[in-house]
Amino acid sequence: AQSVSQHNHHVILSEAASLELGCNYSYGGTVNLFWYVQYPGQHLQLLLKYFSGDPLVKGIKGFEAEFIKSKFSFNLRKPSVQWSDTAEYFCAVNFGGGSQGNLIFGKGTKLSVKP
Amino acid sequence: KAGVTQTPRYLIKTRGQQVTLSCSPISGHRSVSWYQQTPGQGLQFLFEYFSETQRNKGNFPGRFSGRQFSNSRSEMNVSTLELGDSALYLCASSISGDTYEQYFGPGTRLTVT
Repeated sequence: AQSVSQHNHHVILSEAASLELGCNYSYGGTVNLFWYVQYPGQHLQLLLKYFSGDPLVKGIKGFEAEFIKSKFSFNLRKPSVQWSDTAEYFCAVNFGGGSQGNLIFGKGTKLSVKP
Repeated sequence: KAGVTQTPRYLIKTRGQQVTLSCSPISGHRSVSWYQQTPGQGLQFLFEYFSETQRNKGNFPGRFSGRQFSNSRSEMNVSTLELGDSALYLCASSISGDTYEQYFGPGTRLTVT
């Protein structure tokens, strides 16, 4: 079955620390990849997306992600986190590369940034 | 441009009842997807509608159903509610096409007692 795994349930960092959140998916075919963020009390927002082309994609608020096809991974990174990055982060995959509106989500990673 | 709106935002029902949730997509978006979010299972895909047709369905029992109207607004219905149906129900809209970038609404928090 198609699945998405996020390895860390809860990550705690101090401000200015670097962040990397892991995401792996199970399928070997064409995929569209997304990272969403859910700030406390707010709804899911798209951070960044990958459809094709350059495997290093940049999103909003200084986040970036790298698609490594051979590892079925799409890890999220940020060089220096801020307190305002405290949120829950979800990796999501659209298996088959589009045309069907079902995203498979990972279980999410809660990020707590200490000021 | 207004975002995805969902009504009601909160709902309390008792077991055995049925419930209808509503979603208005972003103007111009023709695809609407529904998801259930729970602490244990995370975000799970329910179904997707495009041009009033259900195009894709997740692994949920037949008690969960939906529909889409000609203006792209969508409703989902849950019949014979169970305690386990307590969840945040999210709606997402998309222009559709090959890239499938989805925009999410704030959700409807359903509590079944």
